[in-house]
Order: sequence, then C-alpha cells, then structure tokens
Amino acid sequence: DIVVTQSPDSLAVSLGERATINCKSSQSVLYSSNNKNRLAWYQQKAGQPPKLLIHWASTRESGVPDRFSGSGSGTDFTLTISSLQAEDVAVYYCQQYYSSPVTFGGGTKVEIK
Amino acid sequence: EVQLVESGGGLVQPGGSLKLSCVASGFTFSDYATHWVRQASGKGLEWVGRIRNKANNYATAYGASVKGRFTISRDDSKDTAYLQMDSLETEDTAVYSCARLGEGVALKNAFDVWGQGTMVTVSS
Repeated sequence: DIVVTQSPDSLAVSLGERATINCKSSQSVLYSSNNKNRLAWYQQKAGQPPKLLIHWASTRESGVPDRFSGSGSGTDFTLTISSLQAEDVAVYYCQQYYSSPVTFGGGTKVEIK
Repeated sequence: EVQLVESGGGLVQPGGSLKLSCVASGFTFSDYATHWVRQASGKGLEWVGRIRNKANNYATAYGASVKGRFTISRDDSKDTAYLQMDSLETEDTAVYSCARLGEGVALKNAFDVWGQGTMVTVSS
C-alpha cells in the first residue's frame, strides 16, 4: 500500500500570510499514461464533507480561489494558500489514487494565528 | 444539481449488519466509480472501498480493515450504490460517505462529489 504522510499536523498562520502543507507518498504516483500525478487535495470544514480543491496534483477545481495552488511530482507535493483568509480555517487532506487502496494523509489543521 | 445522498445508518449491535444506500442525481451515475469513505469522530478520512463502472467490469476493492466483512454493489438502473456491512465491530463506528470518482486521463481521478454522510454506531 502507498503510505501518504502529511506535515505539519497543524498550522497557525496570520491573516494574509502564506500557509504551506506538505505531502509525501511512499511511492511515486506519477501516472505514465499522461505524465501527471494522481494526487488530490481536499478541504474539510467542521461538520461538512470534504471538498475537492486540487486534482492531478496541480489542477485547481472549478470555483476554487486562485490563492490555493498545488505543486510537486513523484513523491513530494505541496498545497499552498498564498494569502490566508478567515474562511480557509479547515482541515486539509492529500490523497493518492495511483493504486488501490486509495490512501489519505492524516490531515493538517489550519488555524488563524 | 449534482449530488449524492446516503441513507441507512443507525445503531447496531456488535456482530450485526447494516446496509447503506447512496443515491445519485444530476449526472450520469453509470459513468463513474463510486467509493465509500468513513470518518470516525475527530479522526481522519479512511477509505472503505469502491465499485467501478460497467466499462471496468464493476470491479470492487476494499480497505484491509473491512475486507471480507463489507460488500459494495450498485444498481445503475436506480442510480444507486450500496454498502453491505456485516460482522460489525465497535471500531466501525463512523460517518460513512459515498463519493464520485471519474477515472481515466480525461477525468479528474479524484473525489469531486461527496454525499453528506450517514452515521453508523456500533454499540451494545
């Protein structure tokens, strides 16, 4: 199974500042058919189901603010919130779909400092 | 509106069974794989399993903690997926959600639509 490890577990950032979340997979998730990474990022606010932010590691979902960006390839990935807003307080998860079983990172809780 | 709606959760004793349903609307259900994900209170997301679409032979796969106890099926004529849960354990207590995933290079290969979830409590 591919193990997905997120860091840090929690993060406190001032409004308007940058937040960076890291995700590492135990194996490459690069899909050879299109040379893209089968890695997604989700945002989960309290009491709500997760919301897809980024797929194929760097493609922003429609309607997601452009302050959210995904980067990385192979085994190392990053979600960046360029200017943290109050509504971004949530838990963020990365997830790989390169192979079964699908696996999620443990989550990163983002709060306002 | 594109949506998934789960039902069937509730309180069940250890060793018991429960069957969850996931009804889709607003999109062509048969084109997509349906996955089940659970989340215990205050914990992270755990993948339960999936069923692929007809083009992929309705193939199923399960997480290690539920394999042999849970069974996923679907009825495309009813736009519905099911999660049959047998031999339930207290550790299975969680909110269970279904999610849509489009496979292949032209699709997102991620869970872009989620249901609100249904609570399953396993307790004596």
